[in-house]
Parts: sequence; structure tokens; C-alpha cells
Amino acid sequence: QVQLVQSGAEVGKPGASVKVSCKASGYTFSAYYMHWMRQAPGQGLEWMGIINPSGGTTSYAQKFQGRVTLTTDTSTSTVYMELSRLTSEDTAVYYCAKDPGGVGVAHYDYWGQGTLVSVSS
Amino acid sequence: QSALTQSASVSGSPGQSITISCTGTSSDVGNYDLVSWYQHHPGKAPNLIIYGVSKRPSGVSNRFSGSKSGNTASLTISGLQAEDEADYYCCSYAIGGTIFGGGTKLTVL
Repeated sequence: QVQLVQSGAEVGKPGASVKVSCKASGYTFSAYYMHWMRQAPGQGLEWMGIINPSGGTTSYAQKFQGRVTLTTDTSTSTVYMELSRLTSEDTAVYYCAKDPGGVGVAHYDYWGQGTLVSVSS
Repeated sequence: QSALTQSASVSGSPGQSITISCTGTSSDVGNYDLVSWYQHHPGKAPNLIIYGVSKRPSGVSNRFSGSKSGNTASLTISGLQAEDEADYYCCSYAIGGTIFGGGTKLTVL
């Protein structure tokens, strides 16, 4: 069965960076894009970016351009999300979510359990 | 891109039906049949329950149904059960990515 298992909670200082991992299993890792979303306290979900595990091509939401970096390690079927220049507004639960593949789709068929990132001095 | 608009909360008794609405614009919900809905029990991974406006993934109960009219999408849950109590999020394709609603908390009385 498809599983996306994310790394544990992180605490980062303002101005620093944080890196969250998402390990996939149960499907052909390189065949499906992976997305990242986040949910700040009391707010809705927010799409951050997408990576093609086969080749590493990425696309980011304009809001996060220059601050977020998605990478992939096909040898361990793991995708990483690194967010730099942290501020208190980056305190949120971060999710990875698998793209189901195909043309003309815009949904996510499996999600990770979420990783809480807290920014505090 | 602004978030899609959902009511903050809705409630219903077991066996009843409820509808959650999701309002966007002609640039997102109104322009694409690419609306999805997710059920989220806090602390767990969100679960896809509707995609492509009205399609259900295999394994999702037919008590969940989706529709769209103009710039507003709707999720209907019939025959409410206690386990349906959760947060529900709509999502739509938009140029530059996807956008989500703020979420609706469903309480089963």
C-alpha cells in the first residue's frame, strides 16, 4: 500500500533553515510527481511546490520562490523540502502529497502525516 | 490567488445530510472541472474523497458526493455517521498551482 512517511517535528530559529523529509513506499517512486503543502495555525492549506522525482525538475509557488528548495533521492525514495530565512509566519504543519499522474489532474491521492515546524528564538 | 471560501463550520445529526460549499472565482473553480475535496482528521494525513468535481476514488463511500455550479463547488455527505466528524477542505486548480479553501469543521451531533 502507498505510504508517505515524513520526518519528525522541527524547531528552527528566525533566519535559519529547516529541512523536512518524505519517504515514499508502495509504488514506483520515480513515476509520480510529489507536492508540498503547508497549513499554518488556524488557516487553510497552501500549495508550495512540486518536484518530478525523475530528473528533479521543480516548480514553486510565487510566494515561496527563492526560499524553498525541493530535492529528491531516488535511491531511498525520499523527497526533501528545505525552507530558508525562516520567520514566525513559517510556523505550520508541512505535508508532502503524491500526484496521481495523468494529464489534466489537480489533486493529491496520498498524503504524508504532516511535520510541525515551529519557528522560535 | 485568494483562498477559496468555505463556511467555518457545519453540523448535523447522525443519518442526516449536510452540504459544504466552496466559492471561488472564474479563474479557478468556475473555469476548471478540477475541484477536489479532502477529509482531515486532526493529526492524521488528509484523505482524498472527491476529485474532478464529482468523482470518488475507489474505497470512498458513496455517501460522499460532489457537484459544481458556476464558481461554487459543493460537497454533500448523506447518512451522516460519527466518523464523518472531521475538517473538510476543497481545492481547485488555478494558474500557477492549486488553491485550497480555509476548511469546514463538521460536527456530528
